Amino acid sequence: AQKVTQAQTEISVVEKEDVTLDCVYETRDTTYYLFWYKQPPSGELVFLIRRNSFDEQNEISGRYSWNFQKSTSSFNFTITASQVVDSAVYFCALRAIIQGAQKLVFGQGTRLTINP
Amino acid sequence: EAGVTQFPSHSVIEKGQTVTLRCDPISGHDNLYWYRRVMGKEIKFLLHFVKESKQDESGMPNNRFLAERTGGTYSTLKVQPAELEDSGVYFCASSHNRGLRDGYTFGSGTRLTVV
Repeated sequence: AQKVTQAQTEISVVEKEDVTLDCVYETRDTTYYLFWYKQPPSGELVFLIRRNSFDEQNEISGRYSWNFQKSTSSFNFTITASQVVDSAVYFCALRAIIQGAQKLVFGQGTRLTINP
Repeated sequence: EAGVTQFPSHSVIEKGQTVTLRCDPISGHDNLYWYRRVMGKEIKFLLHFVKESKQDESGMPNNRFLAERTGGTYSTLKVQPAELEDSGVYFCASSHNRGLRDGYTFGSGTRLTVV
């Protein structure tokens, strides 16, 4: 099965705390891509990162970092020194071949609230 | 480059009525996708157009949903008649290529509420 699980439905932290959003995926494919999207209150889905299955290097972009571990099928997302503007719903997604067609499979999303 | 545009942004209709959602993809993007998120659940695939052809409509929930993409430009998604469980946010996305690596650009979504 192709599946993405975000076990944390909601997270609430105080500004400046670090927070990690978990993502666990299942796939039979050897080639696949993983994504993180942010959905701010305005509603659009904003692309954050894409990682392919052959690249396990962790990535850092400003206060954001991603930890991809194939051994545990996880692609976790950490925000360092969180800010109120980070408040949003965050989705992890897997892009793989399903029944001969490539699709994005999303997790349920994690609602992150950063309190001042 | 203009992004993916969806309208209306919000729609509230009564059960049994008809609603049509529209998506304008990025110019030149042959691939257009519809996704839906019902309350609190994951975003789910509905269908995929390549130009004007339906490449994959395996995610369409039932025959009350009809998607079209005449001329391979904008797309419409009609729900007729709408039911309460159709409430949710409908996202449209477009991409240039179909490879796994290619990124999607999503629109802002249409929030549909059926009362």
